[in-house]
Amino acid sequence: DAGVIQSPRHEVTEMGQEVTLRCKPISGHNSLFWYRQTMMRGLELLIYFNNNVPIDDSGMPEDRFSAKMPNASFSTLKIQPSEPRDSAVYFCASTLRGYNEKLFFGSGTQLSVL
Amino acid sequence: DQQVKQNSPSLSVQEGRISILNCDYTNSMFDYFLWYKKYPAEGPTFLISISSIKDKNEDGRFTVFLNKSAKHLSLHIVPSQPGDSAVYFCAASEDAGKSTFGDGTTLTVKP
Repeated sequence: DAGVIQSPRHEVTEMGQEVTLRCKPISGHNSLFWYRQTMMRGLELLIYFNNNVPIDDSGMPEDRFSAKMPNASFSTLKIQPSEPRDSAVYFCASTLRGYNEKLFFGSGTQLSVL
Repeated sequence: DQQVKQNSPSLSVQEGRISILNCDYTNSMFDYFLWYKKYPAEGPTFLISISSIKDKNEDGRFTVFLNKSAKHLSLHIVPSQPGDSAVYFCAASEDAGKSTFGDGTTLTVKP
């Protein structure tokens, strides 16, 4: 079975540019999460969706960040405009809500904003 | 305010010995606890979990203990193997799937 698929694996961009990260959750999962990992703040939850509906976006750092889930098999996290402090590893994870609590993570996107 | 804390950034043990990783939490509403393992350049992978109604869960070489009164959980790996060398994250959940993570402990198992 395919796991959570994220793209791109690596993204290098210049400050001010728009960045779009993509995620395909595991088929059949109904919850999707975006996490960010940095040295300073560890793994922090940015936003999560249940049945494609955003439930909690309190972790989104600023209005520059936005996330969408147009259907059950695709989600995007967009940063516009990007800043050097956005450099981090961004993980997408999915789970089947109501079955158990464990998350299945993608391999992450390493974002570097120069 | 960090709700899940792993106070030891690193741990080194000899192969065959026991590894004990610790985690403390502050939110009494957490009702499910998980451990994840992470290798470099990969996402975290689920290892073992425990519900707040239990105090122990065992899966092969891995055992998780929960002390609710102390708001403390620990992961025991015995015997430790070199392939266990990784970063271990403790996580706690109060809402299905929405987990708060600790900063991780890097475990090194020496041959």
